[in-house]
Amino acid sequence: EAGVTQSPTHLIKTRGQQATLRCSPISGHTSVYWYQQALGLGLQFLLWYDEGEERNRGNFPPRFSGRQFPNYSSELNVNALELEDSALYLCASPLDRASTEAFFGQGTRLTVV
Amino acid sequence: AQSVTQLGSHVSVSEGALVLLRCNYSSSVPPYLFWYVQYPNQGLQLLLKYTSAATLVKGINGFEAEFKKSETSFHLTKPSAHMSDAAEYFCAVSRSGYSTLTFGKGTMLLVSP
Repeated sequence: EAGVTQSPTHLIKTRGQQATLRCSPISGHTSVYWYQQALGLGLQFLLWYDEGEERNRGNFPPRFSGRQFPNYSSELNVNALELEDSALYLCASPLDRASTEAFFGQGTRLTVV
Repeated sequence: AQSVTQLGSHVSVSEGALVLLRCNYSSSVPPYLFWYVQYPNQGLQLLLKYTSAATLVKGINGFEAEFKKSETSFHLTKPSAHMSDAAEYFCAVSRSGYSTLTFGKGTMLLVSP
């Protein structure tokens, strides 16, 4: 069984551009969480998608957005990139509402120059 | 609201010595508590979890943690450190396995020969 997969593993963008990050949860998992791990700031909750809908978002500006597709894969979009958006972006998925753990992907390292 | 405090951003031990990483939490509801490990340039791997069953939880790689409600603590221990334990460790809390995780800032464990 494949784990949570994220692509690309590394992404370099210039300030002002848009970045698109992708996540595929484990087969059968319908929920996806996105977290940002920026240097010195720890892991911050970004977005939660469940069965195609945004269920919750963290304290991030609207230029951070995303969506979940019918196959439950998800996309995180960051518009008007700023230098401080440079971080490791992690995707996680629990099995279901009774699950007691979420499985994490390897992350996408976004560098904004 | 939930929060997690990890005491010490860096902990150094010698190989074979006891590992103790501290975590205190605050939660308005009975919490689910987790310890994750992150190796360089990788995602998060679950070490162990507390989900209101036994207060002493055993995890992978010889780690264990004890839930102490009176002290609102969930410290991580390992009797004898190994060089391969060198990594960053994150304590996290959630209201359930399906809800978002709130992470501590992380503790970098350094193991010297």
